[in-house]
Amino acid sequence: GAGVSQSPSNKVTEKGKDVELRCDPISGHTALYWYRQSLGQGLEFLIYFQGNSAPDKSGLPSDRFSAERTGGSVSTLTIQRTQQEDSAVYLCASSSGLAGLYEQYFGPGTRLTVT
Amino acid sequence: GEDVEQSLFLSVREGDSSVINCTYTDSSSTYLYWYKQEPGAGLQLLTYIFSNMDMKQDQRLTVLLNKKDKHLSLRIADTQTGDSAIYFCAESIGDYKLSFGAGTTVTVRA
Repeated sequence: GAGVSQSPSNKVTEKGKDVELRCDPISGHTALYWYRQSLGQGLEFLIYFQGNSAPDKSGLPSDRFSAERTGGSVSTLTIQRTQQEDSAVYLCASSSGLAGLYEQYFGPGTRLTVT
Repeated sequence: GEDVEQSLFLSVREGDSSVINCTYTDSSSTYLYWYKQEPGAGLQLLTYIFSNMDMKQDQRLTVLLNKKDKHLSLRIADTQTGDSAIYFCAESIGDYKLSFGAGTTVTVRA
């Protein structure tokens, strides 16, 4: 596709259930980011993938959060045993990964609501 | 530490200029950015400025950078209803990270 796509656009889940959020980056972009956007908060960095390098997981808030990127393209963010504080919009972004000006192209996000 | 701060709300009359202010903390940031988020959409890069510049103008947008005070501003001339959105300031951290502010919600009233 022309842009970054994410699915689902909305997800409502019960506390304690696991969820998987998907991101399809722009074709050819080697860098992929996951962010969390909570109401009134800035974007919180979660994880960064670049090519075949080990991901930067420094932003993951707990071990209930994990992400993978298969074949250097599609990425899945998994949240296990969801809690109400996990409710937020999860944004994915990709970039060409070139050093210097690294414009990030964002997807529309997945709005997660934990009841 | 990484901390970008900006005011949360701005209301402006159509046709007037809007000025959104931001302060950042990392003096080694190479680039500073303004992103725009419209309802239900992801963030879109609006403009950026390299850290060795003081000003950048792009059509109706003017970015001012005061590196000494770590202050960044975005001026939108002749604000239109389509400019209503959330505007995020961001600074580059290291080689690949961006640190974002909480966003300023701009409301344009007729």
